[in-house]
Amino acid sequence: TQLLEQSPQFLSIQEGENLTVYCNSSSVFSSLQWYRQEPGEGPVLLVTVVTGGEVKKLKRLTFQFGDARKDSSLHITAAQPGDTGLYLCAGDVSGGSNYKLTFGKGTLLTVNP
Amino acid sequence: DTEVTQTPKHLVMGMTNKKSLKCEQHMGHRAMYWYKQKAKKPPELMFVYSYEKLSINESVPSRFSPECPNSSLLNLHLHALQPEDSALYLCASSQDPGRGTYEQYFGPGTRLTVT
Repeated sequence: TQLLEQSPQFLSIQEGENLTVYCNSSSVFSSLQWYRQEPGEGPVLLVTVVTGGEVKKLKRLTFQFGDARKDSSLHITAAQPGDTGLYLCAGDVSGGSNYKLTFGKGTLLTVNP
Repeated sequence: DTEVTQTPKHLVMGMTNKKSLKCEQHMGHRAMYWYKQKAKKPPELMFVYSYEKLSINESVPSRFSPECPNSSLLNLHLHALQPEDSALYLCASSQDPGRGTYEQYFGPGTRLTVT
């Protein structure tokens, strides 16, 4: 059973469109991170959310953490080809008692010019 | 500075070779990680070092041997690998998870090809 369900798995859109990626779980997360990974590179941390209901913005990217800290979303406004990549959500369900991050399966986003 | 460095960037090795992957961080992090990642899949945890001691081994075959010489360095020694071990190997570091927000910072990875 996948602890962290991420959807959609694949997304291909045109430049200028908006999109939302979802990350859902039945477990409560102490914190949740979003990463973007380009081909052949390591994941780059975009944001960490900690507080239920929290909203963070990073330029055209908006991140939300659910009130119950069981889900999160990433919304991209006016997507650009430079946004292309693998988006990963990852969370800590242990409250900091172990070193394991639970990863979603990832969303492979392609933004076409 | 949130940089984790890894060398080499690319590595091609035969099944009888011995090679090592290297990772370095200067963020004062006391936890360091090795992950294996196949194309278009999330990273899979292999090993965790905490305060320079191995704290997690995710049942990784013994042909992979980790080493943490000091708090800034992490090595992965490779011997007698199989073609299916070809993947992107990622190093990451973090603060002690019990000390605040738990974020892992990843290096750029080593692309390993076993022939």
